Order: sequence, then C-alpha cells, then structure tokens
Amino acid sequence: KNEVEQSPQNLTAQEGEFITINCSYSVGISALHWLQQHPGGGIVSLFMLSSGKKKHGRLIATINIQEKHSSLHITASHPRDSAVYICAVGTSGSRLTFGEGTQLTVNP
Amino acid sequence: GAGVSQTPSNKVTEKGKYVELRCDPISGHTALYWYRQSLGQGPEFLIYFQGTGAADDSGLPNDRFFAVRPEGSVSTLKIQRTERGDSAVYLCASSFSGGYNEQFFGPGTRLTVL
Repeated sequence: KNEVEQSPQNLTAQEGEFITINCSYSVGISALHWLQQHPGGGIVSLFMLSSGKKKHGRLIATINIQEKHSSLHITASHPRDSAVYICAVGTSGSRLTFGEGTQLTVNP
Repeated sequence: GAGVSQTPSNKVTEKGKYVELRCDPISGHTALYWYRQSLGQGPEFLIYFQGTGAADDSGLPNDRFFAVRPEGSVSTLKIQRTERGDSAVYLCASSFSGGYNEQFFGPGTRLTVL
C-alpha cells in the first residue's frame, strides 16, 4: 500500500463543473502539498497546508489531520484546469512523498 | 525573477554510459532536492541537500547514483553505467531553508537510456 493514495486516478468533467480530488495518507506528516503538473513536466505548487482550509481563486484545499485525508476542490472548472494534480506529504526531514497523481481533463 | 533551472532539458544516452544532470536553484535557497518521475507515476525522492551537504540520500536507488553540491548552490546528479530502467524525468526543487517550506520545482531533465 502506498503511503499516499489519490482518487480518482483519472477524472473527466465538463466546463463549469465542481471537481473534487481526494488524497489519503498513512504516515505522520509535517505538511501536505497540492501540486499541478502540466504536459511537459513543469510542476507548480498550489497549496501547502498542515491544518484547516486554504483558498486561492477557484481552488480550495482542505485537510483533516485526524482522518489523514485532504481534498482539492476546483469550482467552475475550465479547460485550462486540465492537468495532473499531485498530492505530496512532507514526512521525515524535508523529503516529500508523492501520490501517483490525478489526471484531470475538463472539456469545453 | 529566475526560477529553478535544469540542464539539459533532454538527454539521450546509451546503456552503460555516464551522465550528469545539472540543477541551478533559486538564489538564496539553501535546500535542494532531486526527485525522479517515471512515466505515469508520481515523483520519487532521491536526495536532499542542506547547503553543501547531503542531509538525506536514502532515496538514491543504488551506488550508480551520486549527487554533489560543492558550493551550496548548483547541484549535479551523476549516474554511472546507465541502465534502461534509469529512463525518467529527473526533477530538481529548491526551498528557502528546507523543513516546512514551499518547494519550487524546475522543468526537469528527461533522460532516455537506449
């Protein structure tokens, strides 16, 4: 069993839909990161959180430390949101342990 | 401002050859990380530098892999006797001081071993 598991692996939505991507982890963490990866490999950090909820534009990230679970929500999804979304947790020291990613496709 | 840069962007080599991959972190960032991402997978941790020293190299898969950061800035990941299974995107990231700090990723080097 991976230390970080994401669901779903693939998600297709229509423009405007509300999207949720889930992340569960099995280890103690210092922080949880949500990352976005576009074709070609570039990774951008979206959120880093250790408790509660953060919001940036149409993106919302929540974390429940007791349940070891986090969700990434996208409101009013748009085709430009199409990318791979990766959950990663900071564990021992500074290393990150990554989930396998969720491929999101938003159709117009 | 300049982000994390990696060179080359693509590297094709033959099995058994030696390769060097370079990472130039954001100026002033003391922490530097190397990750490897195979096709369809999430990245995997390789090694973490704090300054010039490797603070955690537990992710290096075997002794063919080695990384240095002699002046606490640029880092080089070195792979000896490359194997086809080494083919992946090698990602570098840096952060201000490690620990609970956001990591900024470079564009990666795509290594293909024929």
